[in-house]
Amino acid sequence: EVHLVESGGGLVKPGESLRLSCVGSGFIFTDAWLSWVRQAPGKGLEWVARLKSIASGGTVDSAAPVTGRFTLSRDDSKNTLFLQMNSLKTEDTAVYYCVWMARAGGLYFDNWGQGTLVTVSS
Amino acid sequence: QPALTQPASVSGSPGQSITISCTGTTSDIGGYNFVSWYQQYPGKAPKLLIYDVSKRPSGVSNRFSGSKSGNTASLTISGLQAEDETDYYCSSYTSSTTWVFGGGTKVTVL
Repeated sequence: EVHLVESGGGLVKPGESLRLSCVGSGFIFTDAWLSWVRQAPGKGLEWVARLKSIASGGTVDSAAPVTGRFTLSRDDSKNTLFLQMNSLKTEDTAVYYCVWMARAGGLYFDNWGQGTLVTVSS
Repeated sequence: QPALTQPASVSGSPGQSITISCTGTTSDIGGYNFVSWYQQYPGKAPKLLIYDVSKRPSGVSNRFSGSKSGNTASLTISGLQAEDETDYYCSSYTSSTTWVFGGGTKVTVL
């Protein structure tokens, strides 16, 4: 069974940094294309960024609101995806979901973690 | 402001069919057949319902179906049941190698 477990969320002040982690199991993590999708309280879903597998180039695509502030990386030896978030803003407050884009082509958000809450407030 | 436009709410009686629309542009829905739909219960992670406009993942009820015409995609729920009362989101791949979502539609079973 596929499991994605996020951690690292919490309360931070505007301008501060936070690093989220996501540990995956039940699938071949090395081959996985992974995304972060966030959801502000009471709001809809927003795609944040995607990281391809190393074999596919390990490239990152990100949404305009986070480009230049958020960085994705992975440690395949530990089945872990990271989201480094710098220069946080109040509008970054959200539940952050780690998602495995399992289908060929990496176009869909197939398997989701339970999410971790990030609150940015002074 | 969400990139894709969905109605805020749709309602129907048990057994009826309802359709949720999702309107984008030629840069997303109109340009690709990479449209998906997600179901989300309160406090839970979303679940993939439809991909490639109209395909269902294994285990998803055939009461859920998807379609697309031009820049608008649609999700139809047939034989509406009480358990279908929750939030639904559409999504599309875009020409900028990004993904966009709709603002979500709350389905109410009367």
